Amino acid sequence: EDQVTQSPEALRLQEGESSSLNCSYTVSGLRGLFWYRQDPGKGPEFLFTLYSAGEEKEKERLKATLTKKESFLHITAPKPEDSATYLCAVQARVRGYGGSQGNLIFGKGTKLSVKP
Amino acid sequence: DVKVTQSSRYLVKRTGEKVFLECVQDMDHENMFWYRQDPGLGLRLIYFSYDVKMKEKGDIPEGYSVSREKKERFSLILESASTNQTSMYLCASSYQSYNSPLHFGNGTRLTVT
Repeated sequence: EDQVTQSPEALRLQEGESSSLNCSYTVSGLRGLFWYRQDPGKGPEFLFTLYSAGEEKEKERLKATLTKKESFLHITAPKPEDSATYLCAVQARVRGYGGSQGNLIFGKGTKLSVKP
Repeated sequence: DVKVTQSSRYLVKRTGEKVFLECVQDMDHENMFWYRQDPGLGLRLIYFSYDVKMKEKGDIPEGYSVSREKKERFSLILESASTNQTSMYLCASSYQSYNSPLHFGNGTRLTVT
């Protein structure tokens, strides 16, 4: 069964204290891995897509990496405004209509709190 | 910027009522989706649509139906609301090419009493 597990469930950091969030997955043929950020009371906001092992993407203090079994979201010198829930999702081999994203599988998220 | 607009931020309905949740996107996206988000369960796909008048069941379609009469609008219908449908409902849209990211609305928090 396709599955996405994120750890830890919650992470508290001091401002400037770098760390990583983990997303491990088991899917039958990965087509893409997505990271989203979700602020309280809002919908998820797209951050990155990773397609193949070894790929890396960066945006400000965030860097996402991908291996064959997991992805990491590295946060360098975080600020309080980075506090949010970070969601990971994978797109497996298509079932049903080709080209759709009906097969996106989400993890339960990591809630990050950064204290000043 | 892509905008996905959900008609209500908060709704309170009674058990047995018929409930309509509306979603509009302004980016000419082919795909539209309805998810529900619950603590400890994450995001779960209810229904999605890849074209006008087309729909496919997601992982938890029971108790729900959808309607897509125009490309920009996707409606979620609770035929007879029940308390276990109290949740945050999120609409999303994307282009049809695979790996096109989803763009989400800000959600409708539905309470069924």
